[in-house]
Order: sequence, then structure tokens, then C-alpha cells
Amino acid sequence: EIVLTQSPGTMSFSPGDRATLSCRASQTVRTNYVAWYQQKPGQAPRLLIYEASIRRTGIPDRFSGSGSGTDFTLTISRLEPEDFAVYYCQQYGRSPETFGQGTKLEL
Amino acid sequence: QVQFGQSGAEVKNLGASVKVSCKASGYTFTNYAMHWVRQAPGQRLEWMGWINSGNGNTKYSQKFQGRVTITRDTSATTAYMELSSLRYEDTAVYYCARSGFSSSTPFDYWGQGTLVTVSS
Repeated sequence: EIVLTQSPGTMSFSPGDRATLSCRASQTVRTNYVAWYQQKPGQAPRLLIYEASIRRTGIPDRFSGSGSGTDFTLTISRLEPEDFAVYYCQQYGRSPETFGQGTKLEL
Repeated sequence: QVQFGQSGAEVKNLGASVKVSCKASGYTFTNYAMHWVRQAPGQRLEWMGWINSGNGNTKYSQKFQGRVTITRDTSATTAYMELSSLRYEDTAVYYCARSGFSSSTPFDYWGQGTLVTVSS
């Protein structure tokens, strides 16, 4: 299976900062089928980005995704207080669909 | 709007089985697939399997093959996940999540999660 590694595990920022989150795959992800999810405590994950760079309808444009092959990035251009959460990457190009271990953004 | 209502928290004994339900509303149930994903305490999300809600075909993660069964009731627009021979490490929050039929579509809506605790 494809193993996704997110680093670092925790990142500290202030509102207004720019955050860049990394996700590295152990093998090439077919057709860049990588998604990013946001999860807040006690809530289900929420889809933000799919196919590596397509922002889901309704997601603020401060969220952007990029990358190809084995290296993918989620960028939040200006952090808002509600953006402090855990972010997971997922590859859905090859079964089993797998997730990274998450990156927590903290104040 | 798309919504999922999952069944309530469960406490099960070691070796028992658990069946979690996921009631869907706000869309045509049979036009989408339903996945089951779990999250053990402090662990990453883990995909367990999925069902084509239209024809009932299923696919399971090799890790859970033989222990997990995913079914659906189209008249009730509800999907089910049953996990047998429970182990302590099965203690987790179990989520249902929707995707398109293609195996290469993301999970666009998720249920609120069901906590399953395995105890002795």
C-alpha cells in the first residue's frame, strides 16, 4: 500500500501567518489523486482539496494545494483563527486508500 | 443538504461483534458509494472498505478481510458496517463517508462518527 508521511506533526503559527504543510508518498500517486481534509476536535474530517489542487466549492481561496508524483503541499495563505485544526492528506488513486498521520496547526 | 446520521456509541466485549449504521439523506442514495473509515485514539484515519450503494458490490481492505461486512438497505437509505471478533485495538471512532462510484473520487461528505469501545 502507499504510505503517506506528513511532516512535521505539529506546527505553531499566529493568525495571519502563511502555513505550508507537506505530504510525501512512498510511491507515485496515480493522476495526482490526493485530497486534503481538515478535522477539528470532535468533528468528522472535511474535504478541502482534491486531485491535488482543486479547491472544493465553498472552501475559502486562502487554501490551495499543489504537487505531483510523490510530493504534495497544502498552503494556507493567511491563517484565520478557525483554521487551527489537524490536516490529513489522502491518496485515493490506488486501493487501499490511505491517509497521512496528520499535521496539527496550533496557536 | 447531504447528511448522515450514524448510530450511537457502543461498548462491546472482547470477541463480540458490532454493527454500526449510517442513515443517508439529501441525495440519491443509490448514485454513490459509501466507505467506512476508522480512527483509533491518536492514530491516523484508516480505510476499511466500501460498498456500491446501487448494486451492493463491496471491496474491503485486506487488513479487515474476513472480519468486516458492509451492507446497505436501499429502501432505508442506510449503510451498515459490521466488525466481528473484536479486539482491544478495534476501539476507535468509525465514520461513514460518501464518494462517487469511481474508485478515484475523494470522500466528500462524512458522518459524525460512532465510538466503539472494546472492553473485557
